[in-house]
This record gives sequence, structure tokens and C-alpha cells, in this order.
Amino acid sequence: EVQLVESGGALIQPGGSLRLSCAASGFSVSSNYMSWVRQAPGKGLEWVSAIYSGGSTYYADSVKGRFTISRDNSNNMLYLQMNSLRAEDTAVYYCARDRRVVQYGLDVWGQGTTVTVS
Amino acid sequence: SYELTQPPSVSVSPGQTARITCSGDTLSKRYAYWYQQKPGQAPVLVIYKGSERPSGIPERFSGSTSGTTVTLTISGVQAEDEADYYCQSADSSVIYVFGTGTKVTVL
Repeated sequence: EVQLVESGGALIQPGGSLRLSCAASGFSVSSNYMSWVRQAPGKGLEWVSAIYSGGSTYYADSVKGRFTISRDNSNNMLYLQMNSLRAEDTAVYYCARDRRVVQYGLDVWGQGTTVTVS
Repeated sequence: SYELTQPPSVSVSPGQTARITCSGDTLSKRYAYWYQQKPGQAPVLVIYKGSERPSGIPERFSGSTSGTTVTLTISGVQAEDEADYYCQSADSSVIYVFGTGTKVTVL
């Protein structure tokens, strides 16, 4: 079964750091593009970051320079390192398989992990 | 920054047709995708490449494009279709953008 499971969300003070994890099963993180998407309480979806199969990384302007996306191919894991956290980073963070290469969109999503900056 | 605009809400009676629009300058050049999100759940892809349906998505969901506006149509709406719907595209080949979201209420 194709599945994504996020973890690592927490209550953290402004200026702090946190690393989110996303465990993939049923497919290989290394051979797929992967994205992080967040949703602030009561708000819409916001794309945060992507990592391509070749290793290139991309970020939304709102997190550039503070967040880092990475992956562990041997453990089939995706990560989001978040530094210099702000109140506006409070959100549910989802990881998703990104099928943009074949114009298939974000076709598999995790259940989300909650980050509260306060 | 690039924006995709959706109506905040759409109300429809069971069995009727709901149409949700999404407007943005680059939609005439880039594919649109649609996601359904029910309360407390992760989004689910319901339309890709503008008008294609993933396996397992009911045929009552369809997508279309006209110029810089894309439309998600739900024909014969059912109570289980009550959810938030988001369009998504890209402002470049790497940066994704989501629409503002539309809450569909089944009366």
C-alpha cells in the first residue's frame, strides 16, 4: 500500500527549530518528487517546498532561507528542517508525493503533523 | 505573487450540479489540479491535468478549462461531496500555487 506518515510536530517557541519527518511506504522517495504543503488553522493550503528525484530543492518565498527539505534514501524518509520559526509558521504540515513530471499533481498525502509556534 | 481566485462558497441541493471556478493568469498555459478536503482530513486529488480523473474518483467529478478560468463540476451532488475544494497550478515550472479554496455546502 502506498502511504505517507508524518511525525515531529510540536509546540515550539518563536525562533526555535524543529525537524519534521515523513515515512514513505509502497514507493521510493528517491525516485519521486516530493513536496511539503501546510495549512494554517482555518486557512487554505500553501505549498512550502519540493525536492526532485535528482536532488534539486525549491522553496516558497515565505520559508526560503529558514526551511530545508531533504531525504534519506536508505530509510525512505523525507524531512523538513525548520529554523527561525515564526508564529505564522503555525500550521498542519503535510508531505505529498509530487507527480508533476507526468502532470499528475500531488497524488498521495500523509495525514499531517501539527506545528504550533507560540 | 501569483494568485488563483476561487469563490469562498457554493451551495447546492442534492442531485443538482455544483460548479467551482478558479481564475489565474497562467491557467491558460499550465495544467490545473483539484483537491477535495473534508474536515480533519488530508486533501485528496480529484482532477489532474485539467480534466482527468484519478482511479477511484466518481465520474460525477469533471474538470474543464476556458482561457484563464478552470472549473470543477460535480454533477448529481451527494451529501458526501460536502467539503472544501482547492485548485492548484504553478506560477513557474517549480513553484506550486493553490487557490483560495471553496466550501461546498450540500443543502
